[in-house]
Amino acid sequence: ETGVTQTPRHLVMGMTNKKSLKCEQHLGHNAMYWYKQSAKKPLELMFVYNFKEQTENNSVPSRFSPECPNSSHLFLHLHTLQPEDSALYLCASSQEISGVHEQFFGPGTRLTVL
Amino acid sequence: AQSVTQLGSHVSVSEGALVLLRCNYSSSVPPYLFWYVQYPNQGLQLLLKYTSAATLVKGINGFEAEFKKSETSFHLTKPSAHMSDAAEYFCAVSGRGYSTLTFGKGTMLLVSP
Repeated sequence: ETGVTQTPRHLVMGMTNKKSLKCEQHLGHNAMYWYKQSAKKPLELMFVYNFKEQTENNSVPSRFSPECPNSSHLFLHLHTLQPEDSALYLCASSQEISGVHEQFFGPGTRLTVL
Repeated sequence: AQSVTQLGSHVSVSEGALVLLRCNYSSSVPPYLFWYVQYPNQGLQLLLKYTSAATLVKGINGFEAEFKKSETSFHLTKPSAHMSDAAEYFCAVSGRGYSTLTFGKGTMLLVSP
């Protein structure tokens, strides 16, 4: 595997289900991100991890719970979601080079909440 | 604080025509600027980036962008559109040492034969 991978690619869940999204980066980066991409809205940054420590949480509801066990893996645990949470969830990673963080994105997980 | 404005949610061009996608930014620090492309059902792929070196930046697939500080702009251009360029394009801004990007709303490029 190369780059940033995400599983599953598609997920359909009911509002009472609990599921997890997985992201893995094979680039040796030290920062990882979760984004939400909804139709007709800008990309929304959800969480940022630097060296496994959460450095940013953009007022995300507690029904989304991130986990970063090491610098290569990032999870997003989902529970009691709402239909408006249906979106494409993108994971990204980066490594600072001369002050620049160029982010590399995974293909995303298309989530549908029924 | 940083923000990005992309003018036009949709841009339509004919194959072979000039592509121009507009991006204006606001930043309280010297900006780093990025253009990403997203094809259907895929993640974002970096096209090019400006990191305070040359103001005219060349990227992949024949795209280029020019940083104009006086106009706070970073417009994306390509001399001749191909059908394969049809996708959504995102402009993003960051700053030195900032790990986060602020994205625009995106512009969908439609290419007709």
